[in-house]
Amino acid sequence: GQNIDQPTEMTATEGAIVQINCTYQTSGFNGLFWYQQHAGEAPTFLSYNVLDGLEEKGRFSSFLSRSKGYSYLLLKELQMKDSASYLCAVRERRGNKLVFGAGTILRVKS
Amino acid sequence: EAQVTQNPRYLITVTGKKLTVTCSQNMNHEYMSWYRQDPGLGLRQIYYSMNVEVTDKGDVPEGYKVSRKEKRNFPLILESPSPNQTSLYFCASSLRSGGSDEQFFGPGTRLTVL
Repeated sequence: GQNIDQPTEMTATEGAIVQINCTYQTSGFNGLFWYQQHAGEAPTFLSYNVLDGLEEKGRFSSFLSRSKGYSYLLLKELQMKDSASYLCAVRERRGNKLVFGAGTILRVKS
Repeated sequence: EAQVTQNPRYLITVTGKKLTVTCSQNMNHEYMSWYRQDPGLGLRQIYYSMNVEVTDKGDVPEGYKVSRKEKRNFPLILESPSPNQTSLYFCASSLRSGGSDEQFFGPGTRLTVL
C-alpha cells in the first residue's frame, strides 16, 4: 500500500517563492505527479517525475528523490491565481494505480 | 475540444433511489477511472477500466458499479445510494495507465444523498 503526506495548508506572498513538500512510502514506485486544483474545479496536470532530479516548467519546478521517498513542487513569482490546492500523486508499479495525497491548500496574499 | 464530460454536475437525491452518473471522453483513451473526493481525504479511486469490458475495483468500491461497453463511456452506478456516498465525484481518463500518461479529469459531479 501507499502513504502520502503533504502539509494541509500554506500561505505565501505574491511574488515570492514557495515549496510544497510531499513524502511517500510505497511498495513499488512508478512515478510521481503533481496536480493543481482550484476550488470547485477539476484537478489539472502540472508535472511528472520518475527519475531523481529537478524538472522545470516555467514558474513551476518539481523535484524527486526516490531514495528518500520525497518530492517537492516549487512555485516561483507567485501570483494570486496560484491560490489553489496542490495534489501529490504516486503511481504504484503494481497495476499502475495512481494514489493521491490529501492535497495542500496554498493561499497567496498580496 | 479534447475533454472529459460528466453529467449531471449537481444532484440531490434520497436514500435508495438508483442513479447513474455518466462520463464520456473524446480522446480515444484506453484508461478511465472514477474517484470520490472528500475533505481531508483527497481523491480516492472507486473503480477503473483498462479498456473496453475490462474493469476492476479501486480502494473504495462498495456501493458502486461501473460498466465499459464502449471506449468513450464509463458510467458510475449507485444502485441504492446512502448518505455516506455524499461526495464530489470525478471521472478521469488517460491514454493508457502507465508511464507518464497524465490523467485528464472531468468537471466533477457534486452528489448529495439525503
